[in-house]
Amino acid sequence: GNSVTQMEGPVTLSEEAFLTINCTYTATGYPSLFWYVQYPGEGLQLLLKATKADDKGSNKGFEATYRKETTSFHLEKGSVQVSDSAVYFCALINSGGSNYKLTFGKGTLLTVNP
Amino acid sequence: ETGVTQSPTHLIKTRGQQVTLRCSSQSGHNTVSWYQQALGQGPQFIFQYYREEENGRGNFPPRFSGLQFPNYSSELNVNALELDDSALYLCASSPTGLAGGRRETQYFGPGTRLLVL
Repeated sequence: GNSVTQMEGPVTLSEEAFLTINCTYTATGYPSLFWYVQYPGEGLQLLLKATKADDKGSNKGFEATYRKETTSFHLEKGSVQVSDSAVYFCALINSGGSNYKLTFGKGTLLTVNP
Repeated sequence: ETGVTQSPTHLIKTRGQQVTLRCSSQSGHNTVSWYQQALGQGPQFIFQYYREEENGRGNFPPRFSGLQFPNYSSELNVNALELDDSALYLCASSPTGLAGGRRETQYFGPGTRLLVL
């Protein structure tokens, strides 16, 4: 079956620090990969996505590269801001068979201090 | 802003009761999925509807049921509520379903927070 493993949090950084949140996946076929962000008390917002190997998704200074050889999709940002404090979820949708649901990791809580 | 709305925002029920949660998808999005997010966890897939038909189901009992309507709205119904049903319920819409649509991005609403006492 499909699964997503994220680094456990919480992650606490100072403003302007470099961020990496690790994500690895297990899936048959060729999944699409996503990062969603959830701010306190809100639903999920799509942050970025990549649909095939070596694709790089980017948005709002965040980046992640689809690495098929290491089955990874690590999230990075060069300089975090206080407003980036949120829970980040890595997820996949599989492209084959009858898999049409998002499979999520458990989420990583990021807190950025001024 | 995803264009996906949900109602109500919060709800309190007691064990054994029934609840109906509502979602309005983006116009033109003919696929809707429902997820349950327990506190501190990632969302878990409940089921998906495509053109008003159920298009797959996760590991949830039959007391979780749904409907999708032609006007891009949908419902999640839960019968015989249990304490463990307390969670944030999220709906997500996407533009296509079965044919070539499996990798389409899903856009989430703000969720309905259900508390079962």
